[in-house]
Amino acid sequence: NAGVMQNPRHLVRRRGQEARLRCSPMKGHSHVYWYRQLPEEGLKFMVYLQKENIIDESGMPKERFSAEFPKEGPSILRIQQVVRGDSAAYFCASSPRAAGPQETQYFGPGTRLLVL
Amino acid sequence: AQSVTQPDIHITVSEGASLELRCNYSYGATPYLFWYVQSPGQGLQLLLKYFSGDTLVQGIKGFEAEFKRSQSSFNLRKPSVHWSDAAEYFCAVVRMDSSYKLIFGSGTRLLVRP
Repeated sequence: NAGVMQNPRHLVRRRGQEARLRCSPMKGHSHVYWYRQLPEEGLKFMVYLQKENIIDESGMPKERFSAEFPKEGPSILRIQQVVRGDSAAYFCASSPRAAGPQETQYFGPGTRLLVL
Repeated sequence: AQSVTQPDIHITVSEGASLELRCNYSYGATPYLFWYVQSPGQGLQLLLKYFSGDTLVQGIKGFEAEFKRSQSSFNLRKPSVHWSDAAEYFCAVVRMDSSYKLIFGSGTRLLVRP
């Protein structure tokens, strides 16, 4: 039973390029969270999505960042015109059903983004 | 709003010694609390969680945590540490809103002396 898959595991971009991060949730899971971990810090919530819907994007920067979770295929976190401050580890987590306080979030291995 | 504090940035223990990692939470009602472990370059693995009931929670890899409402704490313990336990440990609380997102502490890095 495969866990949460993220790719690429490492991504290097130059300033101004686009970064596209993919997350495939666990089989049967239809809810995805994205978190960002800056160096030497804990994880910070970015966005929560269900299939074809963004439920909560209160943690997303207002510009350059977007997320989607289409009916088919992985969830995508897209960062346009990357800057050095976007260098971080981006983690995806999935849960099997509608958000609830007792639902466990299962984390992927993360994508480490380095902006040169 | 809910928050967690992990007062210790680094902790070093000798292999075989006992371990306690501190976590303090802020929330008026009963919180939903988690401990995760992150090995270098890896994702997060759930160690244990607390929702209600028995205040002593058993987790994987020999870890346990005790919920103490009077102290607003949820400390993680292990009676005998193994070298493979060296990692970063995160305490998290559920934010009680529509998405039930996790609010993480800043983490405690555990180093194990041989």
